[in-house]
Amino acid sequence: AQTVTQSQPEMSVQEAETVTLSCTYDTSENNYYLFWYKQPPSRQMILVIRQEAYKQQNATENRFSVNFQKAAKSFSLKISDSQLGDTAMYFCAFRTTNAGKSTFGDGTTLTVKP
Amino acid sequence: DTAVSQTPKYLVTQMGNDKSIKCEQNLGHDTMYWYKQDSKKFLKIMFSYNNKELIINETVPNRFSPKSPDKAHLNLHINSLELGDSAVYFCASSPTGLGNQPQHFGDGTRLSIL
Repeated sequence: AQTVTQSQPEMSVQEAETVTLSCTYDTSENNYYLFWYKQPPSRQMILVIRQEAYKQQNATENRFSVNFQKAAKSFSLKISDSQLGDTAMYFCAFRTTNAGKSTFGDGTTLTVKP
Repeated sequence: DTAVSQTPKYLVTQMGNDKSIKCEQNLGHDTMYWYKQDSKKFLKIMFSYNNKELIINETVPNRFSPKSPDKAHLNLHINSLELGDSAVYFCASSPTGLGNQPQHFGDGTRLSIL
């Protein structure tokens, strides 16, 4: 079974600064996919970024980038130039190639302060 | 146009009642899911259907019965509601059950048991 751990229940950052959210996972699979989802107070689950385990290059989406360390089973999310609208709960998620379901971490609540 | 829509958004009911939550997706996806997010924000898979067939059932009490009349709909019926059923229930869909495809989530249904 896969497990996903987010060791930071809460974080805060000043507007315009950079913050990194950590995520580690445990699996015996070699091929899998990793995702970060954002859940703002509106409750929606919004995909932020995804990474294929077979790709060495770290994924980036505008101000969001990941640091994927496959050997260490680490998948951290970096948010640059933080904005007030980034305030949300962030979930790291793991999916194996065929399993279908996502296994989620417990989430990190991020507050961006003006 | 809402891609994954759930109704109702809020549901308040008495213990012991039976209730249903409906989910529809207009993305043409084959696979749909139900997740439960408890009061601590932990997100856990409950069920997954692929083209109307049940493929994941994660140790959910049999008071919960999903029904998929067609691949665009996955409804969740709950019998004999208990206090512990209070949670936000998310429906999601993906093109297939393959892990490389992100899931699209509905806005959630907040179920409160009195």
